[in-house]
Amino acid sequence: KNEVEQSPQNLTAQEGEFITINCSYSVGISALHWLQQHPGGGIVSLFMLSSGKKKHGRLIATINIQEKHSSLHITASHPRDSAVYICASPFSSGSARQLTFGSGTQLTVLP
Amino acid sequence: NAGVTQTPKFRVLKTGQSMTLLCAQDMNHEYMYWYRQDPGMGLRLIHYSVGEGTTAKGEVPDGYNVSRLKKQNFLLGLESAAPSQTSVYFCASSEDRYTGELFFGEGSRLTVL
Repeated sequence: KNEVEQSPQNLTAQEGEFITINCSYSVGISALHWLQQHPGGGIVSLFMLSSGKKKHGRLIATINIQEKHSSLHITASHPRDSAVYICASPFSSGSARQLTFGSGTQLTVLP
Repeated sequence: NAGVTQTPKFRVLKTGQSMTLLCAQDMNHEYMYWYRQDPGMGLRLIHYSVGEGTTAKGEVPDGYNVSRLKKQNFLLGLESAAPSQTSVYFCASSEDRYTGELFFGEGSRLTVL
């Protein structure tokens, strides 16, 4: 089974700061997901990436397949970025789309 | 554009009662999933479906049953609810088996007394 570890578990930042959330996994995989869970509980998909880097607005996700590590960066953070950020990777290398989810990083951005 | 809709949003049950959660998606996705989310733990897959008429067990299937009679609907049933099934349940769907974006419902909070 794939073990997915996120760090830090909790992160408090001041508005405008650059934020990094890390995700490590144990099983070699072809794609990794980053999700955002709003304070109200809804979950939205931010990125799915299998190599290199993806960017959407102020969010940047990178992945290093060899090191089994991914990072989510937020530039010029804003209080509306406050949410739980979750990474997920396939349950096993042969998985039929089962995902193992990290326990999430609670981000609070203060004004 | 509704996306993925779950009903009900909240429910309180007594131990031993049964209930069904309904997940409906309007994106014509083949793949649908039911997850549970508990404090301090990541989302865990209960059951999933790779198409109409098919279902498969996920990581934590015990105590749950599912059905996918229509492509757009994925039902999660609890035959005899237990306090350990108190959780927030999320349904999700995707178009592609391995690389498709996941679309989540808003969640259903279930409390079993």
